[in-house]
Amino acid sequence: GQNIDQPTEMTATEGAIVQINCTYQTSGFNGLFWYQQHAGEAPTFLSYNVLDGLEEKGRFSSFLSRSKGYSYLLLKELQMKDSASYLCAVWDSNYQLIWGAGTKLIIKP
Amino acid sequence: ETGVTQTPRHLVMGMTNKKSLKCEQHLGHNAMYWYKQSAKKPLELMFVYSLEERVENNSVPSRFSPECPNSSHLFLHLHTLQPEDSALYLCASSQAGLGSTDTQYFGPGTRLTVL
Repeated sequence: GQNIDQPTEMTATEGAIVQINCTYQTSGFNGLFWYQQHAGEAPTFLSYNVLDGLEEKGRFSSFLSRSKGYSYLLLKELQMKDSASYLCAVWDSNYQLIWGAGTKLIIKP
Repeated sequence: ETGVTQTPRHLVMGMTNKKSLKCEQHLGHNAMYWYKQSAKKPLELMFVYSLEERVENNSVPSRFSPECPNSSHLFLHLHTLQPEDSALYLCASSQAGLGSTDTQYFGPGTRLTVL
């Protein structure tokens, strides 16, 4: 079956750096998304990786290794407003979007 | 500011009630989606519409009935639901539908509680 694994919950300190990992086992690969979802709100698009390597957008960066079936989201200079769930999703070879269960990130002062 | 709106934001209904969820997208997209989000579970795709035609129905019980009158509006009609149907129902849209890798843009969801 197809599967995406992410840690259920992580805790980090304001101002620090945190890395949220995502590993996937899917039938093929056509790209990987990261979304942010604050409690009670819409998931919002953060990044899309289709080629190996690191994509940087301000304080957020996303990395992909297709050979390892692995991605991570790196958040720098953490702010309290970064407390949210982070969802990883992969397009498989049939263009089905496979979702992880999300990682709840708690930021402490 | 969001390009996808959903109403109501919260809904409590009994198992014998009939209600409808509404979604509207202001992005000029051609595809719309209904998802179910339960606590600590991955998003479950329920229905996909592309150019107002249903192209995906992932074995969803018949007590959920979608309707897409035009490319900007999507409804989910609910009747005789079960308590296990309590969840956050998310609507999304994308420029193109199935067969593309276009980014999906989500509404804030309707928090549904079935008593």
